[in-house]
Amino acid sequence: EVLLVESGGGLVQPGGSLRLSCAASGFSVSSVSNYMSWVRQAPGKGLDWVSVIHSDGATQYADSVKGRFTVSRDTSKNTVSLQMNTLRSEDTAVYYCARVLVPVARYAYWGQGTLVTVSS
Amino acid sequence: DIQMTQSPSSLSASVGDRVTITCRASQSIGNNLNWYQQKPGKAPKLLIYAASILQRGVPSRFSGSGSGTDFTLTISSLQSEDFATYSCQQSYSVPWNFGHGTKVEIK
Repeated sequence: EVLLVESGGGLVQPGGSLRLSCAASGFSVSSVSNYMSWVRQAPGKGLDWVSVIHSDGATQYADSVKGRFTVSRDTSKNTVSLQMNTLRSEDTAVYYCARVLVPVARYAYWGQGTLVTVSS
Repeated sequence: DIQMTQSPSSLSASVGDRVTITCRASQSIGNNLNWYQQKPGKAPKLLIYAASILQRGVPSRFSGSGSGTDFTLTISSLQSEDFATYSCQQSYSVPWNFGHGTKVEIK
């Protein structure tokens, strides 16, 4: 069974940092058949694409987080992480980890989400 | 970046109604379009991918159509468990943006 469990959310002050983790089970995060991605959702708002790490390790980011967020993976622990620096109030959201099946990219599996609140 | 526009932003319908939600891309995306259902406090659930392919386990009352820039999600006979927010997403080019969502409410 595929399972994704996020952790690491919480309250942080503007300008601060936070590291989110996504523990995967039932598949390999480095498999050629999937990418791993982060999507966020601000309170009462729609889904906002954040980043993706491809099966070859290549990474891509939304312009709104480029230079501040870094996605990585640990194949030995089968986890994906999102390091978030220089946080802003507009980064407040529930952050979801997702498994993207390829080659027809679709977000087939999602974690339960972890809430990040950026406030003083 | 490709922008996704959904309409309507919300709708009220009754059980048994046929419901149609549209999604328009700011440029052609072929058939690289996914649909998701989301209930309050829950993660999104994949319904349809590649514009018209039903995800395993999703009821056949859900269907998708379209290509290029215009797409449609149809629920043939709305059930009580279908009251939720529906979002489209293009998977043609990164960033794989989502539409703002359509909330389907009980009339």
